[in-house]
Amino acid sequence: NAGVTQTPKFQVLKTGQSMTLQCAQDMNHEYMSWYRQDPGMGLRLIHYSVGAGITDQGEVPNGYNVSRSTTEDFPLRLLSAAPSQTSVYFCASSRDLGMDTEAFFGQGTRLTVV
Amino acid sequence: DAKTTQPPSMDCAEGRAANLPCNHSTISGNEYVYWYRQIHSQGPQYIIHGLKNNETNEMASLIITEDRKSSTLILPHATLRDTAVYYCIVTRRGKLIFGQGTELSVKP
Repeated sequence: NAGVTQTPKFQVLKTGQSMTLQCAQDMNHEYMSWYRQDPGMGLRLIHYSVGAGITDQGEVPNGYNVSRSTTEDFPLRLLSAAPSQTSVYFCASSRDLGMDTEAFFGQGTRLTVV
Repeated sequence: DAKTTQPPSMDCAEGRAANLPCNHSTISGNEYVYWYRQIHSQGPQYIIHGLKNNETNEMASLIITEDRKSSTLILPHATLRDTAVYYCIVTRRGKLIFGQGTELSVKP
């Protein structure tokens, strides 16, 4: 049981490049989300999804796109990377958006935009 | 979701109990209290959650005051591996909104 898997673990991009951060879970969880964490800060919610075909914005959605075509996968797209998007990105999943459930986090993708 | 207030840092001696406080004075009746921790910038790890009653699992105990305006996470016998940032989160919609957390340092 792999849990939540994020790829790549590290990435360096040039300003203006695009890329997709991958997130996959094998627990059949309905709810998935993306966070970013800047140095010395807490995690901030970017986007989330309550099921296949359904996504919504979190606290800091600008500059990021998401889609959810399957239950297992929730990719995060940067269309035109900016230095301000240098951060560590975490993906999380939980059984549903109910209140009585725990979230599982991936190990993160460390992104540097130069 | 209710706002939480935690001390920015705490120290604890190895082998002693670590008591981490959290204030959530604006909590509403259907909001849960969650605790997560993050070790060395790894992905956050779930610890425990509760609604009204005190809860205990293999990792920790959660004590919620009767008026639900504050709670305490207790690590009964802290080890060096418990050094981490601990986040207290209150939510009724299931979305986790993280604050700054408490940086717990367990010292030999």
